[in-house]
Amino acid sequence: SQQGEEDPQALSIQEGENATMNCSYKTSINNLQWYRQNSGRGLVHLILIRSNEREKHSGRLRVTLDTSKKSSSLLITASRAADTASYFCATDGNTDKLIFGTGTRLQVFP
Amino acid sequence: EPEVTQTPSHQVTQMGQEVILRCVPISNHLYFYWYRQILGQKVEFLVSFYNNEISEKSEIFDDQFSVERPDGSNFTLKIRSTKLEDSAMYFCASSEVLTGTEAFFGQGTRLTVV
Repeated sequence: SQQGEEDPQALSIQEGENATMNCSYKTSINNLQWYRQNSGRGLVHLILIRSNEREKHSGRLRVTLDTSKKSSSLLITASRAADTASYFCATDGNTDKLIFGTGTRLQVFP
Repeated sequence: EPEVTQTPSHQVTQMGQEVILRCVPISNHLYFYWYRQILGQKVEFLVSFYNNEISEKSEIFDDQFSVERPDGSNFTLKIRSTKLEDSAMYFCASSEVLTGTEAFFGQGTRLTVV
C-alpha cells in the first residue's frame, strides 16, 4: 500500500454514532495531520499530532498515533450530519511536502 | 481568523494556453506550497517554496510549471502550455515553519482545460 492509506474507504453512520477512520503510513514522520474536505471544496485542517505524542483531543475529535505500527486513527464522537465529508491523513515524511492518503468518505445520516 | 485565499475559484482554458493561479498565503507564514487533486484522486504535492526559491518539487512539477512570489503577499503558479491532463483542483497552502506546524490550505482553483 502507499504512504497514507486510510480505511475504510467509505463509512455510513447515523447521527449520534461515533465514526472511526484509520490511516497507515510507511516512512518515519515528524507529525501527522488530519484534514476534512467537503465535496469539491478546500481542505480544512483538523488536528496535528507529533511523532512523540500518542493521543490528542480537539472538541469531538480524538486522534491516536502508534509510530511502532505506523498508524493513526481519527475518532469523531457524537457525529452530526454536518460531519459528512472526506477525511484525509497527511504525513510529512521528514520532507517539505505532505503526503496525503486516499481518504475516507464519511456519510452521516440525520 | 487568517486564511489562505485563492483566485480564481474556477478557470476554464484552451489547451496550449498559459494560466496563472493566484494565492495569498497567511501573512506571517514563511513556507508556501502548491498541491493538486485530480477529480476522485489523492491530493498530490507539486512544489514547496521558501525564502524566494523552490525548496522541493515533485515529478509532476516539470518545465511547464513555475512559481513566483512577485510581491510580499502573492504566490502564483503558472502553467505555460496547458494540457488536458492538467485539469484538476489546485490548492495553495502555507505554514509558519517547515515541520511541526499545521499547513493551511486555500479553497482551491478548479482548472478545466478544454
